Amino acid sequence: KQEVTQIPAALSVPEGENLVLNCSFTDSAIYNLQWFRQDPGKGLTSLLLIQSSQREQTSGRLNASLDKSSGRSTLYIAASQPGDSATYLCAVRGAGANSKLTFGKGITLSVRP
Amino acid sequence: NAGVTQTPKFRILKIGQSMTLQCTQDMNHNYMYWYRQDPGMGLKLIYYSVGAGITDKGEVPNGYNVSRSTTEDFPLRLELAAPSQTSVYFCASSRLFGRSANYGYTFGSGTRLTVV
Repeated sequence: KQEVTQIPAALSVPEGENLVLNCSFTDSAIYNLQWFRQDPGKGLTSLLLIQSSQREQTSGRLNASLDKSSGRSTLYIAASQPGDSATYLCAVRGAGANSKLTFGKGITLSVRP
Repeated sequence: NAGVTQTPKFRILKIGQSMTLQCTQDMNHNYMYWYRQDPGMGLKLIYYSVGAGITDKGEVPNGYNVSRSTTEDFPLRLELAAPSQTSVYFCASSRLFGRSANYGYTFGSGTRLTVV
């Protein structure tokens, strides 16, 4: 059974810092990995999707990497801003045709002005 | 393009009452899913569907039922509400499994349900 772990559960950084959020998964037979952002009381917004054949994806100040063999992904946020404060969830989709997403519990990020 | 639409956004139920959470997507996605999110527990899959007329159980299906009569709609029914079903419910959809396109999930904005 796939398990996705995100540590730490919470992180507080000063504005302007570059930071890395980590995600690990136990089964390397994945189809893709997706990073989501969730604001308090809101739904999930997809940030980046990395297919299993890819090493990284970039969108603006965000860069996500994938090392399938070691079961790890990182989300890099450059020059963090208070508006980046949210919960970041990592989810992996298994390699089977009807596979579903397995979520980590998320990292709650607070960026202090 | 509305994406995934969930209604209602909030609901309070009394123990033993029934209700249906509605979910509609306009992206012609074959796959649809229902998740519940509890504090500190992450998202757990309740039911999913790979196409109209086909549904299957996820991790936590007890106390829920689903149907998929059309590609667009995937309602979730609670028959006898219990306090343990107090949660935030998310519906999601994704494209048919394949090789070349973006097969990420799209989520609705959620339904916050309280059972008292």
